[in-house]
Parts: sequence; C-alpha cells; structure tokens
Amino acid sequence: AQSVTQPDIHITVSEGASLELRCNYSYGATPYLFWYVQSPGQGLQLLLKYFSGDTLVQGIKGFEAEFKRSQSSFNLRKPSVHWSDAAEYFCAVGPPEINKLIFGAGTRLAVHP
Amino acid sequence: EAGVAQSPRYKIIEKRQSVAFWCNPISGHATLYWYQQILGQGPKLLIQFQNNGVVDDSQLPKDRFSAERLKGVDSTLKIQPAKLEDSAVYLCASSSGTATYNEQFFGPGTRLTVL
Repeated sequence: AQSVTQPDIHITVSEGASLELRCNYSYGATPYLFWYVQSPGQGLQLLLKYFSGDTLVQGIKGFEAEFKRSQSSFNLRKPSVHWSDAAEYFCAVGPPEINKLIFGAGTRLAVHP
Repeated sequence: EAGVAQSPRYKIIEKRQSVAFWCNPISGHATLYWYQQILGQGPKLLIQFQNNGVVDDSQLPKDRFSAERLKGVDSTLKIQPAKLEDSAVYLCASSSGTATYNEQFFGPGTRLTVL
C-alpha cells in the first residue's frame, strides 16, 4: 500500500537559517509528489509538485524540493527561513492510477527570531 | 477569485448528537473532496465527488457519515450520531478535474469537538 513518512514531527530553526524537511514515500513506481503548507486556522496551500522531468522543483515562497528515486524521497528545502514560514508542512503522494492524495502526518516548523 | 468556503468554522457537540458541515467550492470546479484531519495526523480523504456523483467513498464510515452534493455545487457532510473519535478538522477541497495532477484548493476547515 502507498504511504508517506515524515520522520520529523517538530523542527525548530532560527530565522535566516536553512531548512530541510524530510519526506519518504512507499510506492512501486514514480508517483506524483506534493508539498502543502498549513498555517494556523487556514486550509492547506500547495507549495510545489513533482510529476516528471527535472528532479529539482521550485515552488512558491522560495521553497524547492528534490526528488530522489533511489531514496524514495522528496525533501523540501529553503535556504533562509522567515518568521512567517512557521506552520505545518505536509508531504503527499498521488499515485496516478487511483487519483487521490495520501498525506504524511506533517512536520510542525517553529522559527526563532 | 473566491476560494473554497466552509461553515461553520467551529462546532462543539456532545456525543450521540448530529452535526452538519457545509462547503461551497471554487466556481466551476467539478470535483469536490471532504477530508478528515485528526490532531497530529495528515488529512484523510473521506469522499470525492465529480459533479454530483460519488467517485470514491471507500473511507467514509457510512454507518454514521453521509455526504451529498446536490446540483453539483455546494456539498454537506453529516455525522449522525457523533462519537468522541470524530473530533477533528473537516476540510473541503475542490479541483477542476479528478486527475491527481489537478491542484486541489482547500477551505479553512471546520473544527469539530465532540464531548
């Protein structure tokens, strides 16, 4: 069965520091991959997605993610974190043949000034 | 462009009571989703509509949950009777198509507390 693992429940970084959020998936082929962000009291907002092609994808708000087939990973990165990035981040996998998203449990990011 | 609207934003009920949530998707979006997000977990799909037909309701607890999308626009999700474990945020999302590559746009959610 398809699954998504986000190993880090909570991460705290200082403002201006770099960030990497980990995501591993279980799926037999290359699925569609997504990162969403959820701010308090808000719905989920799509940061970026990967379907095929270049394994480094750029998203909104300065985020990027790299797909590594050999590691079944799709880690999210940002070179310099802003206080407004504090939120919960969800990785999701979308196996094309079943047309649904399977979400990880999320990583809550705190940003220290 | 208006986003996905949901109401109410918060609801507190006692177990065994019933509750209903409402969702208005983005105009023109044929596909509508209801997700359940339990604290500490990612969203889990409950039901997916294409226009007013059900595409996937495999994870909907049909003994107590029901959903409808009359006229293929607004949707309501009902729980009757509610259990303690139904405490969660219920998210509605919409997209222009059913394929996974169609971006899903999420509403702010309804936070349900069952006492």
